[in-house]
Amino acid sequence: AAGVIQSPRHLIKEKRETATLKCYPIPRHDTVYWYQQGPGQDPQFLISFYEKMQSDKGSIPDRFSAQQFSDYHSELNMSSLELGDSALYFCASSLYREIQETQYFGPGTRLLVL
Amino acid sequence: AQKVTQAQTEISVVEKEDVTLDCVYETRDTTYYLFWYKQPPSGELVFLIRRNSFDEQNEISGRYSWNFQKSTSSFNFTITASQVVDSAVYFCALSVPIKAAGNKLTFGGGTRVLVKP
Repeated sequence: AAGVIQSPRHLIKEKRETATLKCYPIPRHDTVYWYQQGPGQDPQFLISFYEKMQSDKGSIPDRFSAQQFSDYHSELNMSSLELGDSALYFCASSLYREIQETQYFGPGTRLLVL
Repeated sequence: AQKVTQAQTEISVVEKEDVTLDCVYETRDTTYYLFWYKQPPSGELVFLIRRNSFDEQNEISGRYSWNFQKSTSSFNFTITASQVVDSAVYFCALSVPIKAAGNKLTFGGGTRVLVKP
C-alpha cells in the first residue's frame, strides 16, 4: 500500500539558510500534520492542515511556515535556520472521518544545521 | 491539556520473553483516542494499535496485546514472545478530538526496548 512520502530524506544546511520540506500524503488522505523530533526526544506537534486550511497549531516557531496545496501535498518552509532546528521532521496524514483519525507517518526528513 | 507518561525509559529482554510497556495518560476530555507507535533504529514511526475512550475491551493482535483501563488512566502494551526485530523505541500517544480534523498527537517520552538473541 502507498505510504506517506517525504522529500528530501536528508538535508544539510548552514545557519541562517532556508529549507523547504515536502510531504505527499497517502492517496485520498485530506489531512496533513508536521512533527519535529529532536535527538532522544518524542515527536512534538508543529501544525496540521485539513482541506488546505490550517487546522491546529502547536509549538511552531515564527520562522517556520507551512501550507497544504490543492493536491493535498504540504510543504514546511523554514527560514533563518538555527543549530537547534537540527532534528527529524515527520509528516503524517489521515483521512477525515476515518475512525479515530489515525495518523500514518512518513519516513521523516533528517535536517542537520551546521 | 493532555499529558502522556511512559515511566520506563529502557527495557532489555532476551528473545522469546514477554515485554509489557506502561503508559499513563492525563486528559479532562471524555472522548479521546490512544495509540501505540513503534520507531525502529531506521527512524520511521510505525502505527501499531489504537483504542477509543469508549471501548475498554482488551484485544490481542498476533503477538501484540493491550490493556486499557480508564479507572487508572493506563494503556499498557504487551509484546508476547519477543523477537530481535522488536527492538525499537515504542511511543504511547493521545489524541483529543477538539477540532473537526487535524487533531494533534501528544506523545509520551518513549520506551526503548532491546531484545537480545
